[in-house]
Amino acid sequence: AQTVTQSQPEMSVQEAETVTLSCTYDTSESNYYLFWYKQPPSRQMILVIRQEAYKQQNATENRFSVNFQKAAKSFSLKISDSQLGDTAMYFCAFIPNNDMRFGAGTRLTVKP
Amino acid sequence: DTAVSQTPKYLVTQMGNDKSIKCEQNLGHDTMYWYKQDSKKFLKIMFSYNNKELIINETVPNRFSPKSPDKAHLNLHINSLELGDSAVYFCASSQATHTDTQYFGPGTRLTVL
Repeated sequence: AQTVTQSQPEMSVQEAETVTLSCTYDTSESNYYLFWYKQPPSRQMILVIRQEAYKQQNATENRFSVNFQKAAKSFSLKISDSQLGDTAMYFCAFIPNNDMRFGAGTRLTVKP
Repeated sequence: DTAVSQTPKYLVTQMGNDKSIKCEQNLGHDTMYWYKQDSKKFLKIMFSYNNKELIINETVPNRFSPKSPDKAHLNLHINSLELGDSAVYFCASSQATHTDTQYFGPGTRLTVL
């Protein structure tokens, strides 16, 4: 089965600090695509970052970066200098073949 | 300038009714999708269309039928609504294939009474 697991249902972090959200997945495919999406209270799904499995270099996007460990099938998201606006549900997702599969989400709260 | 739009944003209806949710994208993308997000926030794909042709049809009841009049639109029709259909439905689009980044609409919260 091709699944995505986010083991942290909820996390909190102090403003300006760094937090890491974990994600593991299971697939027999050698090439696939990984994503982190953010869903704030407005409900909008917003792409945070994307990683192609064939690229060894970890993707970064401003304060957001990933730690992609292909052998371990791990794809964690690091948020640096957390801001109040980062409060949201964060979904890890991947596309192993024809469709995108999502994890159950991690609810992140940034505290002032 | 909304990239992916859905109407309505909220839909409240009685069991047994038939309803539709519309989706439009102005990104020039070839592929569109429908997802269902349940009360536990779990997101699951329902349908995928590429250039007006059905690509993915996950195991959803046949009461759900997607309609794509052109590649910029993918509407979702639901017949004989049931309580369990209550959820948030998201439309999304991607440039060409399923491996391209998907851009989501704002979601439609459907409540079946």
